[in-house]
Amino acid sequence: QVQLVQSGAEVKKPGASVKVSCKASGYTFTTYAMHWVRQAPGQRLEWMGYLNAGNGNTRYSQKFQGRVTITRDTSASTAYMELSSLRSEDTAIYYCARGYLELDYWGQGTLVTVSS
Amino acid sequence: QTVVTQEPSLTVSPGGTVTLTCASSTGAVTSGYYPNWFQQKPGQAPRTLIYSTSNKHSWTPARFSGSLLGGKAALTLSGVQPEDEADYYCLLYYSGAWVFGGGTKLTVL
Repeated sequence: QVQLVQSGAEVKKPGASVKVSCKASGYTFTTYAMHWVRQAPGQRLEWMGYLNAGNGNTRYSQKFQGRVTITRDTSASTAYMELSSLRSEDTAIYYCARGYLELDYWGQGTLVTVSS
Repeated sequence: QTVVTQEPSLTVSPGGTVTLTCASSTGAVTSGYYPNWFQQKPGQAPRTLIYSTSNKHSWTPARFSGSLLGGKAALTLSGVQPEDEADYYCLLYYSGAWVFGGGTKLTVL
């Protein structure tokens, strides 16, 4: 069965970077895209960007352009999302989700807390 | 800055029918926006219900349906169950980028 398992919670200081991983299993990793979505406490879902796991091409939300980088390791069937220059407003749960024109399977989420 | 708008909250009685909508600041929503709908309960990851306007996943209950209605994407719940109380989000595609709506809090009362 399809599973997306994300890395554990992180606590970071303002100005630092965080890298969250999403390990896929149960399907051929390179045949789907991987999206990253975040949700601040009590707030809406927010699309950050996606990666074509086949060719490595990426597309980012304008809001995060320049601060977010999505990469993959095909040998490990794992996607990564790195967010830099963290500020308190980046405190959120970060999700990976599989799909191109639909986001069907989701990871369990990774809580990133930004605090001095 | 593209904005996707949903009703902030709706209330429905058990067994009733309710329609949630999803509007785009750029104009009418069409099938080319590939509307997706998600359900999220407190403390849980979102669960995908509908993709590409009206397609259901294998786990989507039959009482959920998606459509286009009056220039908006719509999610209709027929025969609402108490367990349908949740937040619902739509997601629209804009030429390579995606934007979520603000979400609708559905109360079953």
